[in-house]
Amino acid sequence: DADVTQTPRNRITKTGKRIMLECSQTKGHDRMYWYRQDPGLGLRLIYYSFDVKDINKGEISDGYSVSRQAQAKFSLSLESAIPNQTALYFCATSDLGAQATQYFGPGTRLLVL
Amino acid sequence: RKEVEQDPGPFNVPEGATVAFNCTYSNSASQSFFWYRQDCRKEPKLLMSVYSSGNEDGRFTAQLNRASQYISLLIRDSKLSDSATYLCVVNGGGSYIPTFGRGTSLIVHP
Repeated sequence: DADVTQTPRNRITKTGKRIMLECSQTKGHDRMYWYRQDPGLGLRLIYYSFDVKDINKGEISDGYSVSRQAQAKFSLSLESAIPNQTALYFCATSDLGAQATQYFGPGTRLLVL
Repeated sequence: RKEVEQDPGPFNVPEGATVAFNCTYSNSASQSFFWYRQDCRKEPKLLMSVYSSGNEDGRFTAQLNRASQYISLLIRDSKLSDSATYLCVVNGGGSYIPTFGRGTSLIVHP
């Protein structure tokens, strides 16, 4: 079984709809992250969490919210989806420390019409 | 100026060639450095960490130049399976939030 899972893997939604992307991990890591990836723009950090009680904004948090329900679960919500939120979304986890490797989920491909 | 910069490429090389990528970073307090590989439409995966003294893993060699604030990745004897995007990642000081470069695309052809 994969260490970091994301659901759904693909989603098509309409402008104005609320949607939630979910991430679960079995690695026992405290740190979790949400990124979006757009062609030519690389990975951009949306939110990150260092433990269950800690939530931090990344560089592009506007239009998104997150919830850290447990150490193993970190969900991303789009309260009112808009077309420019069409992207590939990745969840990642890491352990503590400067040399910690990030482990990514397989991604969620989101299309907002 | 973006914190981590990479030449997007693509680098188009024949099998067996040696190819090198550079990545520059702007935060002089950065403490750790990595190369990740990302196949088309897949998640990034760690290729190798980059240590101050340089390090090698098979056909891959990574170097760090703190004075000039860049890291490099050298791939020897390129294989078709090396075709991917290579992401440079830099962790700053303090909370160690990683910053990703936009990636360099490599295409290895027969």
